[in-house]
Amino acid sequence: DAGVIQSPRHEVTEMGQEVTLRCKPISGHNSLFWYRQTMMRGLELLIYFNNNVPIDDSGMPEDRFSAKMPNASFSTLKIQPSEPRDSAVYFCASSPETSFTSTDTQYFGPGTRLTVL
Amino acid sequence: GENVEQHPSTLSVQEGDSAVIKCTYSDSASNYFPWYKQELGKRPQLIIDIRSNVGEKKDQRIAVTLNKTAKHFSLHITETQPEDSAVYFCAASIIRGKLTFGTGTRLTIIP
Repeated sequence: DAGVIQSPRHEVTEMGQEVTLRCKPISGHNSLFWYRQTMMRGLELLIYFNNNVPIDDSGMPEDRFSAKMPNASFSTLKIQPSEPRDSAVYFCASSPETSFTSTDTQYFGPGTRLTVL
Repeated sequence: GENVEQHPSTLSVQEGDSAVIKCTYSDSASNYFPWYKQELGKRPQLIIDIRSNVGEKKDQRIAVTLNKTAKHFSLHITETQPEDSAVYFCAASIIRGKLTFGTGTRLTIIP
């Protein structure tokens, strides 16, 4: 099992540019999560998909952020236009979510370190 | 929404001693409490978790206790080793899938 795969691992861009982060969840997992980690705010859930459908996007900071999951094996998080305050490590996680009433283990990817100059 | 507080923010213990990290949560409906370990530059990895129908769970040197009445849970690491040095995060879940994380504890094991 390859685990959750994220690309790129590092991204440096200039303010105003579009940034696209990519994630491949563990095969068979039906839930996917995007998190952002910063020193100031810690680990924050941005958006959560179940069976490719966005369930909760209340953590998405603003309209500059968007996320899609076109199929069970791929998701993107896009920032357009990017700003220096978006600099952070972005993690994708997936979970099997086998129960309808309780939470299953979330497995994190290696993260993408984004720097916006 | 759920709020999770974690203490202490930093903790240094002598190798071989025990370490305890505590978390409190705000919503009594929370029913799942995982602990993650994150080494420098790495991803968070689950080390142990507990559900609300259990008061304690142990896995070798690691144990977690849950007090639903007081709404707090704790991570206990015994016989600490240098490789235990990392940042530890607690989390709580009310709604299926949605985790709220604590702010993290940086644990340093002194050889």
